[in-house]
Amino acid sequence: DTAVSQTPKYLVTQMGNDKSIKCEQNLGHDTMYWYKQDSKKFLKIMFSYNNKELIINETVPNRFSPKSPDKAHLNLHINSLELGDSAVYFCASSQGRAGGPYTGELFFGEGSRLTVL
Amino acid sequence: SQQGEEDPQALSIQEGENATMNCSYKTSINNLQWYRQNSGRGLVHLILIRSNEREKHSGRLRVTLDTSKKSSSLLITASRAADTASYFCATDPSQGGSEKLVFGKGTKLTVNP
Repeated sequence: DTAVSQTPKYLVTQMGNDKSIKCEQNLGHDTMYWYKQDSKKFLKIMFSYNNKELIINETVPNRFSPKSPDKAHLNLHINSLELGDSAVYFCASSQGRAGGPYTGELFFGEGSRLTVL
Repeated sequence: SQQGEEDPQALSIQEGENATMNCSYKTSINNLQWYRQNSGRGLVHLILIRSNEREKHSGRLRVTLDTSKKSSSLLITASRAADTASYFCATDPSQGGSEKLVFGKGTKLTVNP
């Protein structure tokens, strides 16, 4: 069983379209994240949810809207896609919250490579 | 803003040699973690060292932490071709209100057979 699974793995779309990436974790973790990795491999946090509550929103354009229907799922919807949105998006989960007393490792999905043409 | 900076950006060695990667960071931390990313894959956690620890071992991995210099190093001993990957340090800032694990840009390690 995959611990953190995200779909789709590849996504090629035109500028201006709207797309979604889904993420599910079966680890029972309380916290889930979306990270963006650019072409230079720089990994930057976008959002973090703890028990369905948004706790981090890193000045991401409001075209990006995360949704957490329950603590095992964190989806990412992107409106009006732009060329600069092309990247690999990683979902991750952890048992605790960064900065809290139980911070542990992050478990990452395999990534969703988004290409905007 | 970016917290960790790995050094070197790229490292190429022969199988059997040791590989050392360094990470520097800017603010005080709760812990520092190292991750590995194989090409086209997600990141995998390798080791976590807490701010009150100075050294930690896991198999062929040895991590050191110097909080006075705000730096850490990852040593992979007796490297193998399968160790070829990018290695990232990530810091968990201890400042109040900061709740994120911040990654560096990574060191790309190539181990030649």
